[in-house]
Amino acid sequence: AQTVTQSQPEMSVQEAETVTLSCTYDTSESDYYLFWYKQPPSRQMILVIRQEAYKQQNATENRFSVNFQKAAKSFSLKISDSQLGDAAMYFCAYRSNFGNEKLTFGTGTRLTIIP
Amino acid sequence: KAGVTQTPRYLIKTRGQQVTLSCSPISGHRSVSWYQQTPGQGLQFLFEYFSETQRNKGNFPGRFSGRQFSNSRSEMNVSTLELGDSALYLCASALQLGTDTQYFGPGTRLTVL
Repeated sequence: AQTVTQSQPEMSVQEAETVTLSCTYDTSESDYYLFWYKQPPSRQMILVIRQEAYKQQNATENRFSVNFQKAAKSFSLKISDSQLGDAAMYFCAYRSNFGNEKLTFGTGTRLTIIP
Repeated sequence: KAGVTQTPRYLIKTRGQQVTLSCSPISGHRSVSWYQQTPGQGLQFLFEYFSETQRNKGNFPGRFSGRQFSNSRSEMNVSTLELGDSALYLCASALQLGTDTQYFGPGTRLTVL
């Protein structure tokens, strides 16, 4: 079974600074997807970024980028120029690419933005 | 295009009752998955549906069931509610099976007294 580990329960960053959230996972599969979702106080789960395991290039979405290390099974999220609206719980998630839609989530990292 | 909608948003029930939650996926999406979120257990997969068929089920007791209709709308039912069923229930939709991204609804907050 796949597992996802987020070892940082809480992180904080000064507004406009850069922060990196860590995620490691365990799988025996070679083809899968990795995601970062954001859950603000409204509780709506919002997709931040996704990475396909067969792509070596790290995904980037505006101020959000990932560092995907397949051999190390590591998938960290970097947020640049942090903004107050980035404050939320961030969940790392894994999904197999064998027709199974199940997402396996980590326990989350609560990110606080300091004005 | 409208996002995933879930009704009701909040629900209060008592132990022993049953409850039905509804999820309408994004227009054109045919896959629907359900998740339970609690402070203690985090986010756990309940089940997924595609073309009115349950494709996968998580490790939950038989009191948890679901179905999907021909218009891709889905319902989940919990019978004989227990205090531990208090949670945020999230529904997510995807275009097809095997596509890579699920989009979540706002959730239904269920409180069991």
